[in-house]
Amino acid sequence: SYELTQPPSVSVSPGQTASITCSGDKLGDNYACWYQQKPGQSPVLVIYQDRKRPSGIPERFSGSSSGNTATLTISGTQAMDEADYYCQAWGGSIWVFGGGTKLTVL
Amino acid sequence: EVHLVESGGGLVQPGGSLRLSCAASGFTFSTYNMNWVRQAPGKGLEWVSHITSSGNTIYYADSVKGRFTISRDNAKNSLYLQMNSLRDEDTAVYYCARAGYDSGLYYFDYWGQGTLVTVSS
Repeated sequence: SYELTQPPSVSVSPGQTASITCSGDKLGDNYACWYQQKPGQSPVLVIYQDRKRPSGIPERFSGSSSGNTATLTISGTQAMDEADYYCQAWGGSIWVFGGGTKLTVL
Repeated sequence: EVHLVESGGGLVQPGGSLRLSCAASGFTFSTYNMNWVRQAPGKGLEWVSHITSSGNTIYYADSVKGRFTISRDNAKNSLYLQMNSLRDEDTAVYYCARAGYDSGLYYFDYWGQGTLVTVSS
């Protein structure tokens, strides 16, 4: 089965840069997407096709990919960015989500 | 403005059935692939099923294959999920999500608010 692996948690100080990784053995052949989910809310797309940002998503959110690892980077992290983040990729005939990373801004 | 509104969730006994609906508005429903994604209490996102715009191609997660059926009615701008032989582990919030596309590649650009399905005796 196809799996995407994320760190369970990442902590960052306000104003600093947060990086969340997503690893999967087929990521090199497929683009990654990233979703933000705040408590009690539906997920929101923040990055698609590894590095593209939907309209309305702040410029501090960026994405990159190298080999089998995709990375979501939040520059100048704000308190409002505290949330769960999920990566996602297409696995041929299935969609796969990573296990999620809880970003804490402290 | 794009809107996706799920309905049909509720409490059901193990082995029972439930049909979820997702009403779409604000876009040309018949031209978009659609998906169901679920989230068990306190857990992460789990993709459930995918249906192409025409309904001709369907995929399921192994965890629901043979028990769940996805369908759509483009004339009614609606997506459905028929869930049979429900198990405790199917308890989750179920979201419908639109698959947006760019250069032939897809991503889930709009999500509904979710509907809670609780499987319990």
